[in-house]
Amino acid sequence: GAVVSQHPSWVICKSGTSVKIECRSLDFQATTMFWYRQFPKQSLMLMATSNEGSKATYEQGVEKDKFLINHASLTLSTLTVTSAHPEDSSFYICSARDRVGGTEAFFGQGTRLTVV
Amino acid sequence: DQQVKQNSPSLSVQEGRISILNCDYTNSMFDYFLWYKKYPAEGPTFLISISSIKDKNEDGRFTVFLNKSAKHLSLHIVPSQPGDSAVYFCAASAPGAGSYQLTFGKGTKLSVIP
Repeated sequence: GAVVSQHPSWVICKSGTSVKIECRSLDFQATTMFWYRQFPKQSLMLMATSNEGSKATYEQGVEKDKFLINHASLTLSTLTVTSAHPEDSSFYICSARDRVGGTEAFFGQGTRLTVV
Repeated sequence: DQQVKQNSPSLSVQEGRISILNCDYTNSMFDYFLWYKKYPAEGPTFLISISSIKDKNEDGRFTVFLNKSAKHLSLHIVPSQPGDSAVYFCAASAPGAGSYQLTFGKGTKLSVIP
């Protein structure tokens, strides 16, 4: 199957700093990528839809100024958690769909963010 | 309001037996359903999917059944193997304008006992 690479796999940062998470589709082009967040023992919650070359679409309740998304190319989307707080600690996962076809969404390996 | 529900948070099955994971949904607009397997601290891995025009899809040891009238789907794994132990997420999508958003259930943790 298609490969989506997410980096870093884990990160610890201090409160008030910003953290950037990268999501790359390695062997396909993705016009659309999705960012999810998972809290322990809860389902994956869609945060935003990232469209190449345009602004991201955020789900209700997600602060767009806090979670900056950039989808500058067909193979790369980034999520920047700005001015991180301990409550931002979570597991963040991206997914991408091959623009050529197929209906499956392929996921990155996730990023465990811990804000101290 | 959860549109995709996995009411069993956990399931234990003996190796070699059948594992049946259930999923219910409330949104009648959903037309595509997927199952993902997830290990701790990793992203979900796609397992199998089914379109609403079908009632069954089979891939090796994995079979997904869809009952549209009951808004219910299930994943059957047979025979179950210890390596199948993971959290299984049911996901659904509705027709959209080019995007592909998934709504996930909370997951069911499957433990296959050797």
